[in-house]
Amino acid sequence: DAGITQSPRHKVTETGTPVTLRCHQTENHRYMYWYRQDPGHGLRLIHYSYGVKDTDKGEVSDGYSVSRSKTEDFLLTLESATSSQTSVYFCAIAGGIGGNTIYFGEGSWLTVV
Amino acid sequence: RKEVEQDPGPFNVPEGATVAFNCTYSNSASQSFFWYRQDCRKEPKLLMSVYSSGNEDGRFTAQLNRASQYISLLIRDSKLSDSATYLCVVNRNTGNQFYFGTGTSLTVIP
Repeated sequence: DAGITQSPRHKVTETGTPVTLRCHQTENHRYMYWYRQDPGHGLRLIHYSYGVKDTDKGEVSDGYSVSRSKTEDFLLTLESATSSQTSVYFCAIAGGIGGNTIYFGEGSWLTVV
Repeated sequence: RKEVEQDPGPFNVPEGATVAFNCTYSNSASQSFFWYRQDCRKEPKLLMSVYSSGNEDGRFTAQLNRASQYISLLIRDSKLSDSATYLCVVNRNTGNQFYFGTGTSLTVIP
């Protein structure tokens, strides 16, 4: 158990509404990540953070923003949700010896209707 | 070319069979290698790290071949409970970036 909690776990929202997913970790890890996973595409990096207020884009960052105001919390925001953002979203941290092992939260299932 | 490539399968094998998965990676600067298991509608979970010397955990054996840039996972005496998707993951420690295969689906049949 890497001490990662995602919320909400399931959400249905309407097109055009803003949505924020929260990732909370309890073990003071420096690196945190947001991925989405879709059939045929595998895990794709949306954004990641390497410290408080330090974030960078991944390969599928369009339409998403992130914030990390505290070490333990990494927020993913969909400014105006679209149906193409229906997916499962996984938060992750880099932990283990040397911080080179990735551990995932349980996922947040988002449906945009 | 993708950073990490896996045969997506599916692999359907009878109980007790031995099954092997391979994964290739494109960047020779990759430093850490892993196999993860993902059950349906669950998060990926670390199965085992992969070392150049090879490593074994019960029925599971992982190998790394740096010269050919591939990693492998061997599952012996397959159980029904081994049915899952297996992901290979590569870490280029610089900047702590992880790269994922799309996963190989395994179904063990009674």
